[in-house]
Amino acid sequence: GENVEQHPSTLSVQEGDSAVIKCTYSDSASNYFPWYKQELGKRPQLIIDIRSNVGEKKDQRIAVTLNKTAKHFSLHITETQPEDSAVYFCAANSNSGGSNYKLTFGKGTLLTVNP
Amino acid sequence: GAGVSQSPRYKVAKRGQDVALRCDPISGHVSLFWYQQALGQGPEFLTYFQNEAQLDKSGLPSDRFFAERPEGSVSTLKIQRTQQEDSAVYLCASSLVGSSGGGGNEQFFGPGTRLTVL
Repeated sequence: GENVEQHPSTLSVQEGDSAVIKCTYSDSASNYFPWYKQELGKRPQLIIDIRSNVGEKKDQRIAVTLNKTAKHFSLHITETQPEDSAVYFCAANSNSGGSNYKLTFGKGTLLTVNP
Repeated sequence: GAGVSQSPRYKVAKRGQDVALRCDPISGHVSLFWYQQALGQGPEFLTYFQNEAQLDKSGLPSDRFFAERPEGSVSTLKIQRTQQEDSAVYLCASSLVGSSGGGGNEQFFGPGTRLTVL
């Protein structure tokens, strides 16, 4: 089955700096890679996703890059703000019986943005 | 519009007790997922429904876990004879479309039910 590794497990940056979180996956058939933000005690919320037919996607201060050959994808947050502080999860879908619905999540990165 | 809702939000059970956790997906969403999230970990897949059909239950940890979605809308996750290792947050998610070979789709999560087994 799919295996997703995420690094680092914790990341502390100063307000205004950039933050980068990296993930690798094992299933070469995976073609959908979402990133979720989860604040303490809250539900995971999708912040950006990318499909395998593109290498990069950007939405304001957030961007995701995908390298299918190397099987890794990264989240980039620029001009970080204290409200960006949360746990971020990467995920990859996996092919099961011809269906690509199942998501496998990384273990998460606790991002702290210091004012 | 209303998002995914779950009830109860918190449940404390004595070891050996049965529990039932409810999920109300977004109206019209075909797919429904249950995940288990242990403290400090990412969500782990338990089971998947497309409408009322349970297409995948490969993530259910034991035969004490049972899920149903009889009318293709509300779903219930039941855990029989709860054990301490069942303590976790149980997340429900729904997605507009069904499974397909074209790729995954955005999953909208509920707030979760935090289960504590004493």
